[in-house]
Amino acid sequence: MVMMQSPATLSVSLGERATLSCRASQSLTTNKLAWYQQKPGQAPRLLIYATSTRATGVPARFSGSGSGTDFTLTISSLQSEDFAVYYCQQYNNWPRITFGQGTRLEIK
Amino acid sequence: QEQLVESGGGVVQPGGSLRLSCVASGFTFRSYGMHWVRQAPGKGLEWVSFIRYDSYNKYYGDSVKGRFTISRDNSKNTLYLQMNTLRPEDTAVYYCARPLSIGGQDAFDIWGQGTMVTVSS
Repeated sequence: MVMMQSPATLSVSLGERATLSCRASQSLTTNKLAWYQQKPGQAPRLLIYATSTRATGVPARFSGSGSGTDFTLTISSLQSEDFAVYYCQQYNNWPRITFGQGTRLEIK
Repeated sequence: QEQLVESGGGVVQPGGSLRLSCVASGFTFRSYGMHWVRQAPGKGLEWVSFIRYDSYNKYYGDSVKGRFTISRDNSKNTLYLQMNTLRPEDTAVYYCARPLSIGGQDAFDIWGQGTMVTVSS
């Protein structure tokens, strides 16, 4: 299953809303879709799992939604620490887990 | 504190071998299936392999099947990845990762810091 993220790069101002998209090449039969944040030189950090559940310690400004082939990560009010690369991951077809190619979120 | 620490990366010639290790602490390692994930320089994440908590089941991505072997030693809280017949395209940071649930069919909530493998002559 191929996961396609858009846009490749998103430029947003501090305090604004960011909407990141992830589309699956085939419909997910479950809600097994996760989002990760990665900063330079660091390991990925789990933000959202099961499409919309925030991981422990993740701020409420991060939210996930979607079903079928279309999924969204929304950051309601961007903080400086949110600028990073974001990856979606499907584990619906476990063990054939696949990641999207990433969206780079940069300061406008 | 739940933690994973990888080691064993380095520079190896094409066709060579390397064994990576991942030591777990702060959680009951023997209860969890474990994954390896890699990231080529400047690229995205690629799932590599999974091993069940008791080593009964092992799975591999197509790009490494037949060349890489995942294993674990629960008495040492350690996960391994034996990499043989290495190719330049195997150059990447290799992460071990733990799933949220002990069954393994879940997102990855604990990641190591990664170990760099460079395949070059």
